[in-house]
Amino acid sequence: GAGVSQSPRYKVAKRGQDVALRCDPISGHVSLFWYQQALGQGPEFLTYFQNEAQLDKSGLPSDRFFAERPEGSVSTLKIQRTQQEDSAVYLCASSPDLRGDTEAFFGQGTRLTVV
Amino acid sequence: AQKVTQAQTEISVVEKEDVTLDCVYETRDTTYYLFWYKQPPSGELVFLIRRNSFDEQNEISGRYSWNFQKSTSSFNFTITASQVVDSAVYFCALSGGATNKLIFGTGTLLAVQP
Repeated sequence: GAGVSQSPRYKVAKRGQDVALRCDPISGHVSLFWYQQALGQGPEFLTYFQNEAQLDKSGLPSDRFFAERPEGSVSTLKIQRTQQEDSAVYLCASSPDLRGDTEAFFGQGTRLTVV
Repeated sequence: AQKVTQAQTEISVVEKEDVTLDCVYETRDTTYYLFWYKQPPSGELVFLIRRNSFDEQNEISGRYSWNFQKSTSSFNFTITASQVVDSAVYFCALSGGATNKLIFGTGTLLAVQP
């Protein structure tokens, strides 16, 4: 497809379960970002990659969160031992470069509900 | 630290009215960029406009216009002759000069009534 694709669109997890969220960026885009959006809030930065290198993971809320992009294209955000406070929409974005003025293209997000 | 504040939580207007969305930002960067994104019910964030810190010229693009004032750290966004399809959550965002990592405000829900 032409846009950023995320799967699954919806995920319900039992507390304590591990989940993996997938992001397919726009082909050729160097940069990939993950954001977390709680209900009624703006997206908050989690981490970003330039190709396969994870350059900033300062936004990951705990060591239960892990992201990878091994071949510089598809990325996976993994959450271990999910907790109720992890319930949110996880947005992925990609852009052709990391310049400050470059717009990011967002996917539709994965809505994670932890019960 | 960087911060974006959108004081308006919800705005309701009638179709064809003009509406202005407010945004105030904080940053210590001398070079930075400001963005407006739209989030319709489908969920994806759609880029609308961008402004850099060294160009305060205000512009109009179709029904959209923006007013950037460094003196008050504000970047307000106006939709002229609003339409029902404009109903969405609008986010103001800030990036520093080094990367396009975005700091978002909390969003303004715009409801345009027919």
